[in-house]
Amino acid sequence: AQKITQTQPGMFVQEKEAVTLDCTYDTSDQSYGLFWYKQPSSGEMIFLIYQGSYDEQNATEGRYSLNFQKARKSANLVISASQLGDSAMYFCAMREYRGGSYIPTFGRGTSLIVHP
Amino acid sequence: KAGVTQTPRYLIKTRGQQVTLSCSPISGHRSVSWYQQTPGQGLQFLFEYFSETQRNKGNFPGRFSGRQFSNSRSEMNVSTLELGDSALYLCASSLEGGPSSYEQYFGPGTRLTVT
Repeated sequence: AQKITQTQPGMFVQEKEAVTLDCTYDTSDQSYGLFWYKQPSSGEMIFLIYQGSYDEQNATEGRYSLNFQKARKSANLVISASQLGDSAMYFCAMREYRGGSYIPTFGRGTSLIVHP
Repeated sequence: KAGVTQTPRYLIKTRGQQVTLSCSPISGHRSVSWYQQTPGQGLQFLFEYFSETQRNKGNFPGRFSGRQFSNSRSEMNVSTLELGDSALYLCASSLEGGPSSYEQYFGPGTRLTVT
């Protein structure tokens, strides 16, 4: 079974609108971390937002917020007021504690295209 | 502060050869992780080094190896290259790699093509 599932291979959004990118995860650990990264066509992965499994509040970073629903094991990324520069691949990832450090597992990604 | 740098950016090798990729982390960062990204398998964790010791390893064959130097710079080596090793290899650094420093900063990657 996949540990991280991103069911939307591609998403389109109009500039200035909000968009939600879905992510569900699978773990039996109590302590884990959830992340979202952006990868523009240049290839570099850019850290966007982090949510710890014990954090009760949803994480927010500027226009990015993480809709964390622990019981449903979902960690959706919400981008408010989309900009053309938001067009990129978006990866959801989970880090679990294994063998002395935190090991990440990545989803297959969602390609977001922002239309003017 | 300078970001994570990776050299070379592009590399073309022949099947059977070996290759060494280099990664310089952000100054002060002691944890360096390596990832392989391919269209077929997505982004996969290779290994993590912390204070010159391999702290964790992903599910890759022994042809993939790495090391970390005292200045935290890291190298990864792939021996006996196969066509399937063609990929974008990403390096990421973080302060400690533990739960309190979850942010990883990625380099631009090395694009390896095996012919």
